[in-house]
Amino acid sequence: SAVISQKPSRDICQRGTSLTIQCQVDSQVTMMFWYRQQPGQSLTLIATANQGSEATYESGFVIDKFPISRPNLTFSTLTVSNMSPEDSSIYLCSVAPGQGANEQFFGPGTRLTVL
Amino acid sequence: DAKTTQPNSMESNEEEPVHLPCNHSTISGTDYIHWYRQLPSQGPEYVIHGLTSNVNNRMASLAIAEDRKSSTLILHRATLRDAAVYYCILRRLEGSNYKLTFGKGTLLTVNP
Repeated sequence: SAVISQKPSRDICQRGTSLTIQCQVDSQVTMMFWYRQQPGQSLTLIATANQGSEATYESGFVIDKFPISRPNLTFSTLTVSNMSPEDSSIYLCSVAPGQGANEQFFGPGTRLTVL
Repeated sequence: DAKTTQPNSMESNEEEPVHLPCNHSTISGTDYIHWYRQLPSQGPEYVIHGLTSNVNNRMASLAIAEDRKSSTLILHRATLRDAAVYYCILRRLEGSNYKLTFGKGTLLTVNP
């Protein structure tokens, strides 16, 4: 299993600013994922971040808007840049500790409100 | 896209069994069937997964149709703590990464 913490747990930001969300895992994992959950909606995958390589972004998400860092096997950051109210969502970090189709573990999420 | 279809909502009574259906008619041979649930104000939580055979764990059972085009998550005795959104997901290998693509899920209400 894996225990994931995220910082901050919530924030209220002004439009045009940027916020960096941190994800810390209690064990080394190869694959980390960032998801967005808009109000009342399901989760949407933003990108996959494997250590030692560039993040892979899903359709509709770009690096300039959501830059990701993955400096080691237990940590990642997601930045939400030049925010607008449409970016108000819960952002979740997730990891897949094992190879193959094993379970993923999710962090508690960061609730972002953009005014 | 690895698509699944689930009812929007279901209702159950406490201590009764719950059968949550999922259709995945476009499943491919290497897709794993995963179930996750999301309790209010929490991140999703893994429930169970399988490939072809039925699976049991301490949380639930997963019954997979012979043609793999549908599956059913079974909660043997629902409790109030089981009230959540349940997601049926096909975990698919894309490139070198497995991906979970979430659908809308089923909102399960458990009545006392």
